[in-house]
Amino acid sequence: NAGVTQTPKFQVLKTGQSMTLQCAQDMNHEYMSWYRQDPGMGLRLIHYSVGAGITDQGEVPNGYNVSRSTTEDFPLRLLSAAPSQTSVYFCASSYSNRGGEQYFGPGTRLTVT
Amino acid sequence: AQRVTQPEKLLSVFKGAPVELKCNYSYSGSPELFWYVQYSRQRLQLLLRHISRESIKGFTADLNKGETSFHLKKPFAQEEDSAMYYCALRMNNNAGNMLTFGGGTRLMVKP
Repeated sequence: NAGVTQTPKFQVLKTGQSMTLQCAQDMNHEYMSWYRQDPGMGLRLIHYSVGAGITDQGEVPNGYNVSRSTTEDFPLRLLSAAPSQTSVYFCASSYSNRGGEQYFGPGTRLTVT
Repeated sequence: AQRVTQPEKLLSVFKGAPVELKCNYSYSGSPELFWYVQYSRQRLQLLLRHISRESIKGFTADLNKGETSFHLKKPFAQEEDSAMYYCALRMNNNAGNMLTFGGGTRLMVKP
């Protein structure tokens, strides 16, 4: 299986544009999440989902929306991009909602000008 | 709120030298601690978790609840250990599998 996949790998947006970062997993994992990675700040949780139809906010949710209509997919939407959203975005999933290894996607590098 | 601190942004050692990457946490409950590693041009992957008490690629980490630390150690560093290392904490009372990450330490092993 492909594990966790993310598209696109790179994206440049202008301030105010919107876009969706795609994330999919083929491991039938319950838990999925989005992180952003910024230098010196590690990874910070944006949104997460404990199953289809259930999402919740993480540490830095402002400016982002998510939905989980299927177990496999967990897209992240930027509604109106801002330069502060320039970052590397990682999607992750785990089999259980209650611990265990998280599997990460390859990341999407986003630049907002 | 929970917090994970990795005090060193960069750690540079020579091949064969011992390595210790520091991780301190603050959390009032009983945490679950992990080390994740990101090699160049690869995705983040799990290296160790404290509950399994295993050694992976020669690395070990012991949870010290008294000092609230989970330092990563290896007695003899190899060049292939060069990577970004992240310490992460999962609260044991949450409904999801949310992780709180430290800021990361870049390990450079020189020949």
